[in-house]
Amino acid sequence: KQEVTQIPAALSVPEGENLVLNCSFTDSAIYNLQWFRQDPGKGLTSLLLIQSSQREQTSGRLNASLDKSSGRSTLYIAASQPGDSATYLCAVEVNRDDKIIFGKGTRLHILP
Amino acid sequence: DTGVSQDPRHKITKRGQNVTFRCDPISEHNRLYWYRQTLGQGPEFLTYFQNEAQLEKSRLLSDRFSAERPKGSFSTLEIQRTEQGDSAMYLCASSLGGAVEKLFFGSGTQLSVL
Repeated sequence: KQEVTQIPAALSVPEGENLVLNCSFTDSAIYNLQWFRQDPGKGLTSLLLIQSSQREQTSGRLNASLDKSSGRSTLYIAASQPGDSATYLCAVEVNRDDKIIFGKGTRLHILP
Repeated sequence: DTGVSQDPRHKITKRGQNVTFRCDPISEHNRLYWYRQTLGQGPEFLTYFQNEAQLEKSRLLSDRFSAERPKGSFSTLEIQRTEQGDSAMYLCASSLGGAVEKLFFGSGTQLSVL
């Protein structure tokens, strides 16, 4: 059974710092992995999607990496801003046409 | 295209009543997912559709829950004889399906069972 774990559960950092969020999954046979952002009381917004054959994806100040063999992914946020404050969730699709399983997320607070 | 729409945004009901939620996915998206989320937790998978076919239903979903997607367009999620434990945010998402296709979420329906 696929399980997704995110550490830490919460993180507070001063504005301007670079930071790394971690995601691990128990079954390495994934189809793809997505990182999402969720603001309080809102739905989720997909930030980056990494296919199983890829090692990383970049979008602006965000960089996501994937190490399928070790069951790990990281989301790197450069030069953090107060507007980055949100919950960040990772999710894996185990096989094609299969369900997408989420971690519990990391609540990020950027201190002005 | 305006994204994934969910209706209503909020629903307050008394225990034992039936409720129905609607989701309109992004047009031409053949995959549609339902998730449930409680405070501080990640979205919990409930069920998903490929076009009009319901491909999987979570074992966590009791017989009181049913979902439909007639004609492969909008979807409804019905909860019969609601219980206080059903209080949660119900999220709908859609995608084209495929290696590079992202999942798009609606804003959710917040259910409160009194």
